[in-house]
Amino acid sequence: KAGVTQTPRYLIKTRGQQVTLSCSPISGHRSVSWYQQTPGQGLQFLFEYFSETQRNKGNFPGRFSGRQFSNSRSEMNVSTLELGDSALYLCASSRQGVTNTEAFFGQGTRLTVV
Amino acid sequence: GENVEQHPSTLSVQEGDSAVIKCTYSDSASNYFPWYKQELGKRPQLIIDIRSNVGEKKDQRIAVTLNKTAKHFSLHITETQPEDSAVYFCAAGARGNAGNMLTFGGGTRLMVKP
Repeated sequence: KAGVTQTPRYLIKTRGQQVTLSCSPISGHRSVSWYQQTPGQGLQFLFEYFSETQRNKGNFPGRFSGRQFSNSRSEMNVSTLELGDSALYLCASSRQGVTNTEAFFGQGTRLTVV
Repeated sequence: GENVEQHPSTLSVQEGDSAVIKCTYSDSASNYFPWYKQELGKRPQLIIDIRSNVGEKKDQRIAVTLNKTAKHFSLHITETQPEDSAVYFCAAGARGNAGNMLTFGGGTRLMVKP
């Protein structure tokens, strides 16, 4: 079966711009979680969506937002980009949530802010 | 919130030797402890997990132990091979709707020398 697909794979944006990243989960998975991965901070939780509802949110500023559609695909948006937002953004798909059922990660979107 | 500490940050072993990575967590409500392996340029993949109702779990050369009283858990890899070289992340989470998120440790870069 198809794995978790994230698009685009690479992005270069300028400070102050906004960006939208997409995650298509495995068919049948209703939970999508987003993580930011940086060399200094490791993997940090952004938010989790389940059946179009945000269930959990990490400690990130309001510039980071997300949503989930009825087909379980999820998008995350970052507005007013800052240099520190440069990171690998990973989404994880699972049937019932990452602590209930196995989570599968996408390849990630590498965002560079210049 | 949950805090997960992981040690060591880098580990170099000779092929055939054992490797041990240790993690501690802070939230006694956490009851799910997965380990992920991330090879260079690839997505994190679940290699083993343990829930708080068991103390040890094995899968071929990999084992995880959990001490809930001390709030620590460890990954053991025996008979290491060069293909075990990767970054390993531990994580902790609470099962249930309210806490469906994972908090990750900072990662351990394992290098297996042939």
